[in-house]
Amino acid sequence: GAGVSQSPSNKVTEKGKDVELRCDPISGHTALYWYRQSLGQGLEFLIYFQGNSAPDKSGLPSDRFSAERTGGSVSTLTIQRTQQEDSAVYLCATKEFLSGNTIYFGEGSWLTVV
Amino acid sequence: GQQLNQSPQSMFIQEGEDVSMNCTSSSIFNTWLWYKQDPGEGPVLLIALYKAGELTSNGRLTAQFGITRKDSFLNISASIPSDVGIYFCAGQLGAQAGTALIFGKGTTLSVSS
Repeated sequence: GAGVSQSPSNKVTEKGKDVELRCDPISGHTALYWYRQSLGQGLEFLIYFQGNSAPDKSGLPSDRFSAERTGGSVSTLTIQRTQQEDSAVYLCATKEFLSGNTIYFGEGSWLTVV
Repeated sequence: GQQLNQSPQSMFIQEGEDVSMNCTSSSIFNTWLWYKQDPGEGPVLLIALYKAGELTSNGRLTAQFGITRKDSFLNISASIPSDVGIYFCAGQLGAQAGTALIFGKGTTLSVSS
């Protein structure tokens, strides 16, 4: 598609269950970011992928959070044993590596842990 | 995680008024960016600033990269109802294009007509 695509757009899960959130980047965009946006909060950096380099995982809040990017394209953010404080919008953003700072965001995956 | 100090947290203004919001940081940034987020959508880039002291306009929007490289402001002139949304500042710490952006907590703008 033309933009960054995220799925699911909404997910309600029970506390303790695992969830997977998917991001399809814009074709050709080698840089991919995951951010978390909690109610009334800014965008909290989680993880960054660039090509085949080792990802920058410095923003992941705990070892329950992990992310993969297969083949340099689609990325999956996995949250294990979800907690209520994980409820947030998870935003994916991508850009061409050397095209300045125009990063394009998806519409986000709204996660609610009950 | 790291965040910028963005203020004000929210603003309620009348259509036609000018608006100003700003971000500060204890760290030096090489790039400052301003994004707008409409409800249910991802943020969209408004203005990008790359040099200390740079003043850039985009229509009714004007933003400046502070001389100290630790702050930036965004002004919106003659506000209109479609300016409603959340405005985020973002800074890039490193000189490399791949360094993650750090975001402020946002300024929620409400415009009454």
